[in-house]
Formats: sequence, C-alpha cells, structure tokens
Amino acid sequence: DADVTQTPRNRITKTGKRIMLECSQTKGHDRMYWYRQDPGLGLRLIYYSFDVKDINKGEISDGYSVSRQAQAKFSLSLESAIPNQTALYFCATSAGRNFTGPPGELFFGEGSRLTVL
Amino acid sequence: GQNIDQPTEMTATEGAIVQINCTYQTSGFNGLFWYQQHAGEAPTFLSYNVLDGLEEKGRFSSFLSRSKGYSYLLLKELQMKDSASYLCAVRDRRYGNNRLAFGKGNQVVVIP
Repeated sequence: DADVTQTPRNRITKTGKRIMLECSQTKGHDRMYWYRQDPGLGLRLIYYSFDVKDINKGEISDGYSVSRQAQAKFSLSLESAIPNQTALYFCATSAGRNFTGPPGELFFGEGSRLTVL
Repeated sequence: GQNIDQPTEMTATEGAIVQINCTYQTSGFNGLFWYQQHAGEAPTFLSYNVLDGLEEKGRFSSFLSRSKGYSYLLLKELQMKDSASYLCAVRDRRYGNNRLAFGKGNQVVVIP
C-alpha cells in the first residue's frame, strides 16, 4: 500500500462545482503539501502545512482552500472549479525532525487528475 | 523567487550517457534535489546535493556548484526504463527550511 494516498485518482467535473481532493499518509510526517502540475510549467506549490494548526499559502493559492484535519490528513478544495484548474494534483509529505534522509525530501502521492469542463 | 532553468527535452540511445543541467538563482540556497518522474506517476527521489561536488549513486550521479548556481544529473548506461522526466528542485531557506521550488523538468527519451 502507498504511504501517501490520494483520492480520487481521476475526476471529471463541470465549471462551478465544488471539488475536494483528499490526502492521507501513514509515514508519520508532520509536513504536508499540495502541488499542481501542468505540462510545460512543472510542479507549483498551492498550500502547505507544517502541523495541524499551521496552514500556509504557496505560489498559486487563489481559487483553492485546504484543511488539515489531522496529522495524517490534508485535503484540498476547489470551491467553484474552473477549466484552468484542470491539472494533475500531487499531495506530498516531508519529515520535520528525526529523519535520516536529506532534509526536506518530499514523498509524493500517486496524483489526482482533475478535468474541469 | 527562484529562477530554476532546465532544458525541456533530449533523446539518447540505450547504453549511452546523458547529462541534464539545472541552473538556479536564489540568495537562500539550502540544498538541491533531483527527482525522476515517469509519465502520469509520482516523482521519486534520486539524489541530493548541498555541498559542492559530485554525489554518485549507482548509474546516477549529481554534481553541484553553489558559486555558479549550477547542478547536473548524469545518467550512465542508459536503459529504456530511464525514459522519464527529471526534475530539479531547490530548497530555499527564505521560505521555511523545507520548501522546495521545482524546475519545469527535462524529458529524456531513450531509444534502442
């Protein structure tokens, strides 16, 4: 089983609909992130959270909101989806402390492909 | 912000060596990652450099020059499964120690 799980993996929706993408992790990491990936633009940070009470905007937060319901869960919402939010969305985690790997290493979920018609 | 630049695509033959370059500009450099991403899949960690020099891991090596704002990833003995996008990501202390900024990625196509 994946350590970082995203649901749904694929979603097609219509303009104006509210969409939630969910992410859960079993890695025990404090830090969680939402990225979107578009062809030719790379991965761009939407929001990130360093613990349950911490929420921070990334590069492209407009039109999105997040909720950190628990250490292991971080959800991304599109309140009113628009076509230019069609993208591949990735959740990622990183360890805050007591990690033997490179500091800041990100562990990604399998991605959620969202299409807004 | 960071300006992270990577060439977009290259083609190489199975068994060959390919070098993927990454240049960046930031006053808060605090480490550089290389990730591999197969089409439609999650990025996976390849290597990390924070000091100048070469890090070798099997067929993959990564080099960093902080004074030049430059890194490269070297893939040796190319295999068909190495066809993927290679992402350079810079860790920037100005935005909280664990924030990474990604380049657009370099698509490597391995042909027989």
